[in-house]
Amino acid sequence: KNEVEQSPQNLTAQEGEFITINCSYSVGISALHWLQQHPGGGIVSLFMLSSGKKKHGRLIATINIQEKHSSLHITASHPRDSAVYICAVRIGSNTGNQFYFGTGTSLTVIP
Amino acid sequence: NAGVTQTPKFQVLKTGQSMTLQCAQDMNHNSMYWYRQDPGMGLRLIYYSASEGTTDKGEVPNGYNVSRLNKREFSLRLESAAPSQTSVYFCASSAITRNEQFFGPGTRLTVL
Repeated sequence: KNEVEQSPQNLTAQEGEFITINCSYSVGISALHWLQQHPGGGIVSLFMLSSGKKKHGRLIATINIQEKHSSLHITASHPRDSAVYICAVRIGSNTGNQFYFGTGTSLTVIP
Repeated sequence: NAGVTQTPKFQVLKTGQSMTLQCAQDMNHNSMYWYRQDPGMGLRLIYYSASEGTTDKGEVPNGYNVSRLNKREFSLRLESAAPSQTSVYFCASSAITRNEQFFGPGTRLTVL
């Protein structure tokens, strides 16, 4: 059973395209985390949000708590955006609760 | 700041051997985590330490032990390695368990 589902699993885009990666979850959450994993393996935190929308440069993350869904958008995509994007959800609000991770969306941006 | 560092980067073990993966962070974070990443699966939590002096099991703790040596360091020990423990291991830290996590570069472990 996977609490977190991402789509698509793989995505290829032309440079400059607008990209959307989706994350759906099946339980009530207290926070959602978007991460980026580069081909070398390093994992970088992009956003953590519990409601609404956040923007950082060309990246935008939105979350709809009622629909249990989040999206990560990349505007004007660039080959350096090629990476695996991972969604993780935190269930509950107590200090003992942990994140559950999706399997990731592999994005390739072609020049 | 180095952030989160892990050693070693790569390791090959034979079945039954033991080893310790080291993790350190210089961000004065209270909480630290050990994850494993396997093909086709999301990151899975092995153990975590909400604060110095405490450790708790995560989703997949069997075959592992941890030590929170001090606020900076959190080590993961495999007492008797098995091929099923072949994986990439990531250490992470956060200010508190509710906050976003910062990851180390990972350790690629192969158990033959």
